[in-house]
Amino acid sequence: EAGVAQSPRYKIIEKRQSVAFWCNPISGHATLYWYQQILGQGPKLLIQFQNNGVVDDSQLPKDRFSAERLKGVDSTLKIQPAKLEDSAVYLCASTSVRGYNSPLHFGNGTRLTVT
Amino acid sequence: GQQLNQSPQSMFIQEGEDVSMNCTSSSIFNTWLWYKQDPGEGPVLLIALYKAGELTSNGRLTAQFGITRKDSFLNISASIPSDVGIYFCAGYSSGSRLTFGEGTQLTVNP
Repeated sequence: EAGVAQSPRYKIIEKRQSVAFWCNPISGHATLYWYQQILGQGPKLLIQFQNNGVVDDSQLPKDRFSAERLKGVDSTLKIQPAKLEDSAVYLCASTSVRGYNSPLHFGNGTRLTVT
Repeated sequence: GQQLNQSPQSMFIQEGEDVSMNCTSSSIFNTWLWYKQDPGEGPVLLIALYKAGELTSNGRLTAQFGITRKDSFLNISASIPSDVGIYFCAGYSSGSRLTFGEGTQLTVNP
């Protein structure tokens, strides 16, 4: 079974620029998550999708972050404009069921550096 | 939201020693998960716990779901160099998102 695929692996941008990350979950996984992991901290949820609908985006900074999963499969996360404090690893994860009580399967993340 | 207090923050041990780390919360959790994260990679699930008092092993790893449902423990026996990494506890409280602890950085000296 192929794992969660993410690209790019690394991205360096200047503040106020835009950036986009891509995720392809495990085949058949209906629930997809984007997490932000700042160095030295645990992952923090940004947004959760069930198929192509948003389940939880309460912790997404909507003034600059957006995400979509138009066909209920792969997803993109965008930051526009980026700030220095957005420097982090952005992890995508998926599960086969709605998610409650289910272990998440993570990709290897995109490391973003904002200068 | 729920917060998980994970300790210790870091550990430096000799190869062959046993390791114990724990996670506590002020809220009741229904599921506890333990993940390991290596540098440059995403977290990988080690053990999942679903019932209070449950004790589950995965090789040299053993984890327990606390009776109070507010804590969990992970033990690693006879540590080896490849055990190096960051260990995260995570949990589901009723009707909430998966919450992660801040991690325990484990260093194993050969």
